[in-house]
Amino acid sequence: SYVLTQPPSVSVAPGQTARITCGGNNIGSKSVHWYQQKPGQAPVLVVYDDSDRPSGIPERFSGSNSGNTATLTISRVEAGDEADYYCQVWDSSSVVFGGGTKLTVL
Amino acid sequence: QVQLVQSGAEVKKPGASVKVSCKASGYTFTSYGISWVRQAPGQGLEWMGWISAYNGNTNYAQKLQGRVTMTTDTSTSTAYMELRSLRSDDTAVYYCARAGPNPSADFDYWGQGTLVTVSS
Repeated sequence: SYVLTQPPSVSVAPGQTARITCGGNNIGSKSVHWYQQKPGQAPVLVVYDDSDRPSGIPERFSGSNSGNTATLTISRVEAGDEADYYCQVWDSSSVVFGGGTKLTVL
Repeated sequence: QVQLVQSGAEVKKPGASVKVSCKASGYTFTSYGISWVRQAPGQGLEWMGWISAYNGNTNYAQKLQGRVTMTTDTSTSTAYMELRSLRSDDTAVYYCARAGPNPSADFDYWGQGTLVTVSS
């Protein structure tokens, strides 16, 4: 089965740029979606189809996907961005989620 | 505005079944699918399956084949997920999410979650 690998944690100071990676075999050939989940809340879609943003998501959130790595980039990080982030793809008739990355804002 | 409202928390004994509902509003129910995702305490997201609200076609996660059934009632714009033969490791928050007309799409709106606790 397809495996998506995310770093367990990423730390960044306010105002800096956070990059959260999602590794998978030839993931660049797939559409990657990203979700943000804050404690006690349902996930929220922040990037879909590699790099598109749903309405209402700040432009600070962007995505890219090439080769074996997809990346969610959060520019000018704010305290409110602290959350778990999950990547997701479709492979072999199944949805696959990455293990999640906890973003800590220092 | 799009809303997905789920049924309340459940406590079940091992071996029992649970049925969680997800009532949709604010969009044309039959133009989309519904996926179900669960999250065990302190763990990540696990996809359970998808159902088309248009024609009832389903796609279940291999791990849950035979134990899960997803249905929809288009007259009330409600989706249901039934999980049978519950075990302690089925304890989780269960989410419904609006998906596309095919199971590969993203999940753009989510329900609030339903906690299912399996305990003797």
